[in-house]
Amino acid sequence: ETGVTQTPRHLVMGMTNKKSLKCEQHLGHNAMYWYKQSAKKPLELMFVYNFKEQTENNSVPSRFSPECPNSSHLFLHLHTLQPEDSALYLCASSQALTLTDGYTFGSGTRLTVV
Amino acid sequence: AQKVTQAQTEISVVEKEDVTLDCVYETRDTTYYLFWYKQPPSGELVFLIRRNSFDEQNEISGRYSWNFQKSTSSFNFTITASQVVDSAVYFCALSEAGDDKIIFGKGTRLHILP
Repeated sequence: ETGVTQTPRHLVMGMTNKKSLKCEQHLGHNAMYWYKQSAKKPLELMFVYNFKEQTENNSVPSRFSPECPNSSHLFLHLHTLQPEDSALYLCASSQALTLTDGYTFGSGTRLTVV
Repeated sequence: AQKVTQAQTEISVVEKEDVTLDCVYETRDTTYYLFWYKQPPSGELVFLIRRNSFDEQNEISGRYSWNFQKSTSSFNFTITASQVVDSAVYFCALSEAGDDKIIFGKGTRLHILP
């Protein structure tokens, strides 16, 4: 256990479904992140939250909607996704602006859009 | 602009051989941080090391060693006496000072053959 927990581990959804990914960290960090990892592509930063405020949206389509109700929880709401959105979605947390130990990552949610 | 290049997409070596993973970075900042992460088949990225740009001293941790050379903008990672458990994808990454984002390279998939 890294201290960052992601649920579910695996998700299969249709293109018309609405689902949410959840991330929770127990490390007392104040920054949280969503990354997308597709086959044969580098890790793509999607969103950054510092102290619950979104500080980065890396041109992510609106079918991905993040929510950060507090510094310990981060959600990614999904709706009307496309098959090319199938990927491993990784959540991470850190002490913002220090990155002394880099990010701590969760195990990811493997998403398949059918 | 920040950029991290891992030219080796995939490497296979026989167990007990030494292997070096290359990493070249680009940044305009004089203060920055370099990282290496390991991603085993389970999916989560495991933090291995962080180096700041003012510390060019090479580091050794057990069978792992890192060679940081600012003159060539490289931060290479060597595994000595490799083991099957070292099989994973390894990512080099960069963050500029004051920035809470980490930019990752595309990763190098390492296969250690028994």
